[in-house]
Amino acid sequence: EVQLLESGGGLVQPGGSLRLSCVASGFTFSSYGMSWVRQAPGKGLEWVSAISGSGDSTYYGDSVKGRFTISRDNSKNTLYVQMNSLRDEDTAVYYCAKVKTVGADWFDPWGQGTLVSVSS
Amino acid sequence: EIVMTQSPATLSVSPGERATLSCRASQSVSSNLAWYQQKPGQAPRLLIYGAYTRATGIPARFSGSGSGTEFTLTISSLQSEDFAVYYCQQYNNWPRTFGQGTKVEIK
Repeated sequence: EVQLLESGGGLVQPGGSLRLSCVASGFTFSSYGMSWVRQAPGKGLEWVSAISGSGDSTYYGDSVKGRFTISRDNSKNTLYVQMNSLRDEDTAVYYCAKVKTVGADWFDPWGQGTLVSVSS
Repeated sequence: EIVMTQSPATLSVSPGERATLSCRASQSVSSNLAWYQQKPGQAPRLLIYGAYTRATGIPARFSGSGSGTEFTLTISSLQSEDFAVYYCQQYNNWPRTFGQGTKVEIK
């Protein structure tokens, strides 16, 4: 069974940094792309970032470009996102999701999410 | 950026009735369109990809259609567990974008 478990969320002040992790199990991690998708409280879904299975290719949404960095450690079956210069509007539940491949990236499955709150 | 517009925002349906949800793209996304279901407090679940292919384990009462800019998710006979929010998502262009969601509620 494919499982994705996010961690690292919490309360951070505006301008601060946070690193989220997503540990994967139940599949050959390095063979699949991965993505981060977020959902602000009471709002819809927003794609944040994607990375290829090898980690060679990365993609970002405009709202996080230059502030967030996606990466992966295939030896640890772990996906990361380093979030810098955090803003109030980054407050959201952050989900990691497995994709078949970048280019055929529908999200399946999703982790349970980790909440990031940006507030002073 | 491709804007995905879903309609209606809220759909009130009685159990056993048919529900038809629409998703429109601001430009063609070919058949690179997925649908998700989200229940309160849960992560989204993939229903449909490639505009019409049901994901593993998804009941046959869920069907997708369309291509280009116009897409439809149909739930043929609503069950109690189907009342939820539904999102469409395009993966044809960067950035990937979602519709704002359609809430299917009990009439």
